[in-house]
Amino acid sequence: GQSLEQPSEVTAVEGAIVQINCTYQTSGFYGLSWYQQHDGGAPTFLSYNALDGLEETGRFSSFLSRSDSYGYLLLQELQMKDSASYFCAVTSSRTALIFGKGTTLSVSS
Amino acid sequence: NAGVTQTPKFQVLKTGQSMTLQCAQDMNHNSMYWYRQDPGMGLRLIYYSASEGTTDKGEVPNGYNVSRLNKREFSLRLESAAPSQTSVYFCASSSSYEQYFGPGTRLTVT
Repeated sequence: GQSLEQPSEVTAVEGAIVQINCTYQTSGFYGLSWYQQHDGGAPTFLSYNALDGLEETGRFSSFLSRSDSYGYLLLQELQMKDSASYFCAVTSSRTALIFGKGTTLSVSS
Repeated sequence: NAGVTQTPKFQVLKTGQSMTLQCAQDMNHNSMYWYRQDPGMGLRLIYYSASEGTTDKGEVPNGYNVSRLNKREFSLRLESAAPSQTSVYFCASSSSYEQYFGPGTRLTVT
């Protein structure tokens, strides 16, 4: 079967750093993406890793290790507005995405 | 640019009724997708269309049909709604690895 595992909940305080891990087991692999979703609204794209290593986009970074079938999303200088659900997703074929069940991040002051 | 639009935003159906969810994108994307999202389940792919004129089943296609009407529009039809189809439905489009999502349709089947 195909599966992605990520923690269901993470809590942190403003200004902190948090890491959300994702391990995957899929029949095909083209890349690992991360999406953010606020309050059940439209998911929005954050990052994509096709190759091993770290990708940095402002306060957010994403890492991939293909040999370990593992990746993570790193959020720095947390703000209240970062409270949301975060989904990892594997591109398992040329176009199809398989999503994890999501991690709810709660940021407190 | 409106991006990806979906209609309706909310819908309540009785068991056995049929309806079509509409999706349109104005970004000239080749690929379009339909997902459902249930509490604690993440997003699951129902059907997708890699290009105009083609459609393929995703992870949970049973009970649904789709039509790629043209490059802009991709509709999802429930022929005989069941309570198990109560969910939030998202349409998305893409030209590469980044997918753009619509605001969703919240469907309740009683």
